[in-house]
Amino acid sequence: QVQLQESGPGLLKPSETLSLTCTVSGGSIGTYYWSWIRQPPGTGLEWIGYIDYSGGTNHNPSLQSRVTFSVDTSKNQVSLKLRSVTSADTAVYYCTRGRRSGGRHDAYDIWGQGTMVTVSS
Amino acid sequence: DIVMTQSPDSLAVSLGERATINCKSSQSVLYSSNKKNSLAWFQQKPGQPPKLLIFWASSREPGVPDRFSGSGSGTDFTLTISSLQAEDVAVYYCQQYYNSPFTFGPGTKVDI
Repeated sequence: QVQLQESGPGLLKPSETLSLTCTVSGGSIGTYYWSWIRQPPGTGLEWIGYIDYSGGTNHNPSLQSRVTFSVDTSKNQVSLKLRSVTSADTAVYYCTRGRRSGGRHDAYDIWGQGTMVTVSS
Repeated sequence: DIVMTQSPDSLAVSLGERATINCKSSQSVLYSSNKKNSLAWFQQKPGQPPKLLIFWASSREPGVPDRFSGSGSGTDFTLTISSLQAEDVAVYYCQQYYNSPFTFGPGTKVDI
């Protein structure tokens, strides 16, 4: 059974860089889209973007290219970096697996428990 | 960006009764090549991550009770809970994965 576990600092100051890692256990990185989705307190879900097994990436333009993804298949880990954070980046950050179907992006079937990140001076 | 809207914002349903949630996309999410709609439904309970219920608009994820069903095509979709159980109290989100950024609806809160 595949499980995802996010890890990283819970508290950042404005202008710092958020770095999160998602460790995949019970399975391999495989041919999936490894995505990050965040949820500010009490609100809805925002898609951040993904990296696939070959290193291809796609991100939400709303993040103005502050985001970088990476994958380490030897460690079964994917990572997210978000630069120049502000209080608006305060949220629970989820790592999630997107299936691939017929070469197209399919649904997100497995989610980590999420990690709360707070940006505050 | 494709904008997703949901209605109602919240609803209260008696145990055993039907709950219906609507989702609308600002443009079609139907792939002409395979005639599939890139639309998923998620259930989120407090303190938990979202759980995938329905993909391709109407395919039920393995392990999801058959009281959950999805329907619709193009821009209009529906999630139906045929007989609401106490454990179904949650917020339900639709999401399109047709075009990046893959956007979510604002959520519908279902209560007893």
